[in-house]
Amino acid sequence: EAGVAQSPRYKIIEKRQSVAFWCNPISGHATLYWYQQILGQGPKLLIQFQNNGVVDDSQLPKDRFSAERLKGVDSTLKIQPAKLEDSAVYLCASSLVPGQRTYEQYFGPGTRLTVT
Amino acid sequence: DAKTTQPTSMDCAEGRAANLPCNHSTISGNEYVYWYRQIHSQGPQYIIHGLKNNETNEMASLIITEDRKSSTLILPHATLRDTAVYYCILRTGGGNKLTFGTGTQLKVEL
Repeated sequence: EAGVAQSPRYKIIEKRQSVAFWCNPISGHATLYWYQQILGQGPKLLIQFQNNGVVDDSQLPKDRFSAERLKGVDSTLKIQPAKLEDSAVYLCASSLVPGQRTYEQYFGPGTRLTVT
Repeated sequence: DAKTTQPTSMDCAEGRAANLPCNHSTISGNEYVYWYRQIHSQGPQYIIHGLKNNETNEMASLIITEDRKSSTLILPHATLRDTAVYYCILRTGGGNKLTFGTGTQLKVEL
């Protein structure tokens, strides 16, 4: 079974520029997550989608970050304008819809963003 | 989700068992103990989870104390490829949010 795909793998931009990341989840996984991982820290959830609706975006800096999941499959995460502190790895994960049991999250390889 | 406490780093000789501890003294009755690991430059990978009984799968064993205030992840025969950061996470049944701490950096050496 194909895993979670992300692109690009690396991106270098200057501060105040914009950037977008793409994620394709595992087929059949209705729940999609975006995490931010700053060097030396564990991943932090930015936003969670179920199908194409937002379940949790409480930690998403909405003044500069946006995310969408059109048609409930692929997703894009955008940063505009970028700041130096946005330098991090952005991880996408997917899972079956949590219900009475909790399903494992499967992570992609991440996109490493460097803001200069 | 309640918090967990893990050592910052551990070393293990290849072929020996790696025992990674996790303290979760404020765990609630409906919280599961989950373990993920993250190999360098990769996304986190699910390892195992349990509620109160000990669990074993092809990757590892999970030992949870009777009072559920601590647990130990056991990699029975560690290899160099097990070098990674290991995260112990509490999740409620049916809950979907993963709250990562800083984990334990396990280094397996020859």
